[in-house]
Amino acid sequence: TQLLEQSPQFLSIQEGENLTVYCNSSSVFSSLQWYRQEPGEGPVLLVTVVTGGEVKKLKRLTFQFGDARKDSSLHITAAQPGDTGLYLCSGGGGSNYKLTFGKGTLLTVNP
Amino acid sequence: DAGVIQSPRHEVTEMGQEVTLRCKPISGHNSLFWYRQTMMRGLELLIYFNNNVPIDDSGMPEDRFSAKMPNASFSTLKIQPSEPRDSAVYFCASSRGQGGYGYTFGSGTRLTVV
Repeated sequence: TQLLEQSPQFLSIQEGENLTVYCNSSSVFSSLQWYRQEPGEGPVLLVTVVTGGEVKKLKRLTFQFGDARKDSSLHITAAQPGDTGLYLCSGGGGSNYKLTFGKGTLLTVNP
Repeated sequence: DAGVIQSPRHEVTEMGQEVTLRCKPISGHNSLFWYRQTMMRGLELLIYFNNNVPIDDSGMPEDRFSAKMPNASFSTLKIQPSEPRDSAVYFCASSRGQGGYGYTFGSGTRLTVV
């Protein structure tokens, strides 16, 4: 069974701070996704990474896929209150439909 | 594009009653997934349809749960009879292909069984 561990589970920071959250596994994934989920809504796909060592940027968010494709990190620069939400990672096996989801990091950015 | 549309957004029902959740996937997406989310267990895959055919229902908790996809634009998840432990947020998601590179989720149905 593939598992994805996310850390930290909870993170509360002040506006303007930088932060990094992690998604780790002992299994290799063909692809890895990051989602943000706001209260009362469904997860929204932010990015998919597929190549070991790949780095993708989305405005102030930087996503990195580990070289061995077993882990990933999400770095947010100068966090804003609008970044508040549950950040979920999921891993896929390429053509395998069954994504494995982590339990998420709940981020609160205080004004 | 209106995204994945789920109804109702909230459902409160008494134990033993039948509950039907509805989902309209994104047009052109041929894979549909039903997930359940709880604080304790996170997101759990209940059932996966591809081209309207159920491919994997191994996540359906028990026979009280059933799902159908009569056409490419509509799916239902039914619980009969409902129990308090079924209380959770139920999400429908859709994707092109088999979804191995990520899904588009609906806004969910928050189900409370009292």
